[in-house]
Amino acid sequence: DAGITQSPRHKVTETGTPVTLRCHQTENHRYMYWYRQDPGHGLRLIHYSYGVKDTDKGEVSDGYSVSRSKTEDFLLTLESATSSQTSVYFCAISETSGSSANTGELFFGEGSRLTVL
Amino acid sequence: GEDVEQSLFLSVREGDSSVINCTYTDSSSTYLYWYKQEPGAGLQLLTYIFSNMDMKQDQRLTVLLNKKDKHLSLRIADTQTGDSAIYFCAETPRSSASKIIFGSGTRLSIRP
Repeated sequence: DAGITQSPRHKVTETGTPVTLRCHQTENHRYMYWYRQDPGHGLRLIHYSYGVKDTDKGEVSDGYSVSRSKTEDFLLTLESATSSQTSVYFCAISETSGSSANTGELFFGEGSRLTVL
Repeated sequence: GEDVEQSLFLSVREGDSSVINCTYTDSSSTYLYWYKQEPGAGLQLLTYIFSNMDMKQDQRLTVLLNKKDKHLSLRIADTQTGDSAIYFCAETPRSSASKIIFGSGTRLSIRP
């Protein structure tokens, strides 16, 4: 199994509070991703990183920020949590991007369940 | 734009074949994937197909790609109770090979 650890695994917080989710990898993979999973919506990409200090927005980036100061850590921050951000958050890593030479396979963490009251 | 669509539920009898369908909009996708999610876990890559292929077979799994209709399907032969999971179709858009876009997932349930 790919070495991916998400923390915390479960969190309950109140509207308006800041929340940071951490993804830590031991694989030295270049690419890291944050997705959220909601019923009926599948997985939606929030932000991703293609290297240290290199990040880009995904489909649903509003209300979220990310940072990657080291290869192994990718942080997702909700500056002021809202009830619409109640979700299961998945971190994923990939050694390569998808190209004619590589599949760009993603390896997923076990998820972090966030509840915003 | 980039969009991937799937039906949400499928129920099949144990031993029958399951066919899960997906449509996508990015005609220049490099790869199309099927990921499997078991309860309480993250996703795992089940199989994939490169965009210049029409079919790929891997043991009980058959992937069919119809580029003209932008339709991808996953057939699971001799469906077993262990195949109960959510199956996600996904694509790598050629416009951004760093991203993988997922569909909504199809929950496969098995009847005895």
